[in-house]
Amino acid sequence: QSVLTQPPSVSGAPGQRVTISCTGSSSNIGAGFDVQWYQHLPGTVPKLLIYGNYNRPSGVPDRFSGSKSGTSASLAITGLQVVDEADYYCQTYDSSLSGSVFGGGTKLTVL
Amino acid sequence: EVQLVESGGGLVQPGGSLRLSCAASGFTFNSYAMNWVRQAPGKGLEWVSTISGGGGSTYYADSVKGRFTISRDNSNHTLYLQMNSLRAEDAAVYYCAKDLIPGITMVGGLDYWGQGTLVTVSS
Repeated sequence: QSVLTQPPSVSGAPGQRVTISCTGSSSNIGAGFDVQWYQHLPGTVPKLLIYGNYNRPSGVPDRFSGSKSGTSASLAITGLQVVDEADYYCQTYDSSLSGSVFGGGTKLTVL
Repeated sequence: EVQLVESGGGLVQPGGSLRLSCAASGFTFNSYAMNWVRQAPGKGLEWVSTISGGGGSTYYADSVKGRFTISRDNSNHTLYLQMNSLRAEDAAVYYCAKDLIPGITMVGGLDYWGQGTLVTVSS
């Protein structure tokens, strides 16, 4: 069980908007530590999508956006595309564990 | 171009040892903290360990503390993970990954990942 809780799966139709939540606690997200999001497509390596809660690395489409409030963070994907089908992970630092933590991952299905 | 190439994975018996390597190129290696992240079959990503750019600070997940040792050779641009007392639950693809932001550790995410090396623990 991860200290960061994500829904196991979400789905949406092409063109729609979906959000993926990441719920933490006062020792990680709630303590003010930044949240990152990664996309992991089958057969590839994880890709950094969002860093510092809402910043996108160069090359990441603006269809992907991140937000954070209290002890939770969210990843929003607009204009869903079939190529977005992947596993998505949130990640942050946890002061109680003195290390990084990943969420359990969310599988996105584009119907 | 940033490149991270892992090696050293393979089949090992429970209780055995293995040393993973990650050869880095395309960036100022000693300026960035480096990490090991693993993914067991059918499971999610799990952070394993982080080492600061200079190598003076190391951090471990509770699941590997006392059994794994992270180190780096900045003169040869190589990251290592010495894994001892391996257990079945250590079986996974191990990725090395570079910190996004130079000079600080475990902040800002991991922007480049190697292709991974598979570790199988079985008798």
